[in-house]
Amino acid sequence: DIQMTQSPPSLSASVGDRVTITCRASQTISTYLNWYQQKPGKAPNLLISAASNLQSGVPSRFSGSGSGTDFTLTITSLQPEDFATYYCQQTYVTTRTFGGGTKVEI
Amino acid sequence: EVQLVESGGGLVQPGGSLRLSCAASGFTFTTFWMSWVRQAPGKGLEWVANINQDGSEKYYVDSLKGRFTISRDNAKNSLYLQMNSLRADDTALYYCARGGGNHDLWGQGTLVTVSS
Repeated sequence: DIQMTQSPPSLSASVGDRVTITCRASQTISTYLNWYQQKPGKAPNLLISAASNLQSGVPSRFSGSGSGTDFTLTITSLQPEDFATYYCQQTYVTTRTFGGGTKVEI
Repeated sequence: EVQLVESGGGLVQPGGSLRLSCAASGFTFTTFWMSWVRQAPGKGLEWVANINQDGSEKYYVDSLKGRFTISRDNAKNSLYLQMNSLRADDTALYYCARGGGNHDLWGQGTLVTVSS
């Protein structure tokens, strides 16, 4: 299986901050990379697919970039509702894998 | 309403079996791959398995091969996960998700607890 490594595991930020989360794949995955947001007690929500395609309804302060093995999720001007855990997921091979998650805390 | 509703979770003893179900509604079930994803208490997401539209292709995380079986009944708009030889580390919230990889719709999850 392809291993996905996220960093940092957690971070503290303030409203209005710019936040960057990274995800590294153990082998090249082109742009077959998704980002999800999960709030406590809720199911995950797909934010970005194919590394940079923002899903309908997701605020434009979220953006994704990268290809190959290194990817980034950026949140410009963090809002109170953005405090959550974020996961990357590779879809390059049929056995999908998630990263370990990054918890964004106040 | 477009939704997925899981059921079938509960408390089971180590070595036991359980069958999870996921009822889909509000969309054309037969046109989508479907998946199961689990989350142990306080832990991250773990992709479990997926199945194609007609059930002819199935893929599993390596660590679960042979114990879990994914299936679907398109006439009933339902997805299933048969879990055998359950262990304590299978304790988790099990989510049904639409799509083989881009999971744009999730259920609320059903909790499986493996304990004596």
